[in-house]
Amino acid sequence: DTAVSQTPKYLVTQMGNDKSIKCEQNLGHDTMYWYKQDSKKFLKIMFSYNNKELIINETVPNRFSPKSPDKAHLNLHINSLELGDSAVYFCASSPDRKNSPLHFGNGTRLTVT
Amino acid sequence: EDQVTQSPEALRLQEGESSSLNCSYTVSGLRGLFWYRQDPGKGPEFLFTLYSAGEEKEKERLKATLTKKESFLHITAPKPEDSATYLCAAYNTDKLIFGTGTRLQVFP
Repeated sequence: DTAVSQTPKYLVTQMGNDKSIKCEQNLGHDTMYWYKQDSKKFLKIMFSYNNKELIINETVPNRFSPKSPDKAHLNLHINSLELGDSAVYFCASSPDRKNSPLHFGNGTRLTVT
Repeated sequence: EDQVTQSPEALRLQEGESSSLNCSYTVSGLRGLFWYRQDPGKGPEFLFTLYSAGEEKEKERLKATLTKKESFLHITAPKPEDSATYLCAAYNTDKLIFGTGTRLQVFP
């Protein structure tokens, strides 16, 4: 009965590679998000989609490209990975764009060597 | 710039020793103050939402309160299973802004 699921849980790759992280929610929510958590546990929003439409894009390098094929899925593709991209990436969803609680997945730990 | 600051960064308590975690916020147009719990290797788990100054919410040993400038998470008689990182987040007009969390350790 997983609500927000991400794959893979761990991702180790070399600089310059391209990788993708997938996210799916079965809560029937309209809005989905990608957050990045750095080594100091600070969670920062990257993107937000509402019904497949991009609504928030926080000054993220254009090497990061989100894609939402439908409102239950939000994937994150990263080109030309850099050392500074190493972090934990969390997917989340909420019922709407208003101030509803977010439901988070368990994260993808990305390590770039 | 909208900002959320949590203190202390880390807190060690003996089982049964009550304490409070602080969350100070500077957010224009606050539309909600959220508390989350995060266990190692897991995503944040929603605890409470507070919408207006003076509001309080309780769940088991946790009680969250809100003023116009800060929120407190009071932990009464904590148990070792309460050990986690507690995250505060403020919702402004369009997004959730997180603090860096308080790492709580409760020892038996």
